[in-house]
Amino acid sequence: AQSVTQLGSHVSVSEGALVLLRCNYSSSVPPYLFWYVQYPNQGLQLLLKYTSAATLVKGINGFEAEFKKSETSFHLTKPSAHMSDAAEYFCAVAHTGANSKLTFGKGITLSVRP
Amino acid sequence: DSGVTQTPKHLITATGQRVTLRCSPRSGDLSVYWYQQSLDQGLQFLIQYYNGEERAKGNILERFSAQQFPDLHSELNLSSLELGDSALYFCASSGLAGVQETQYFGPGTRLLVL
Repeated sequence: AQSVTQLGSHVSVSEGALVLLRCNYSSSVPPYLFWYVQYPNQGLQLLLKYTSAATLVKGINGFEAEFKKSETSFHLTKPSAHMSDAAEYFCAVAHTGANSKLTFGKGITLSVRP
Repeated sequence: DSGVTQTPKHLITATGQRVTLRCSPRSGDLSVYWYQQSLDQGLQFLIQYYNGEERAKGNILERFSAQQFPDLHSELNLSSLELGDSALYFCASSGLAGVQETQYFGPGTRLLVL
């Protein structure tokens, strides 16, 4: 069964610093991977998705993620954090076959210090 | 704005009661998913409908049921409510039901059971 692991529950960075949020996946077949962001009191918004077209995926708001099969990772990065990036970030894997549900990681809360 | 609407935004009810949550998918989307977000369980898939038919079931309790109507809106019915059912319930929609499809999330319904 497909699953994702997000280690740590909270990451704090200074404004302008690199953002790195880790996600490792487990899948017996080539996975479809997603990063979603949830701002306080809002729904989930798609940042980017990997569907095997390219290993480096660019998303919205300056975020990108690199699919590394050898490391079973799909870490999310942003070169320079902005205060507005403070939110909760979820990595998710889509299941194959008839069931296309998403399985989410536990989420990581990103804080950005002035 | 994802284009997915959910009503009501907030719901406060008592144990033992029954509530109905409503979701309208994005225009043209055929697939609807329901997810539950709670502090202890995180984001969990409940059920998926595609063009009116149940497509997949996740960790959905027998007290919960859902349906998708001919106009493609969906309702999630929660009965015999317990304190532990307090959570944020999200609806998501996608065009089709494939694994590569992006799921667009609504703003959620926050349910509080007292």
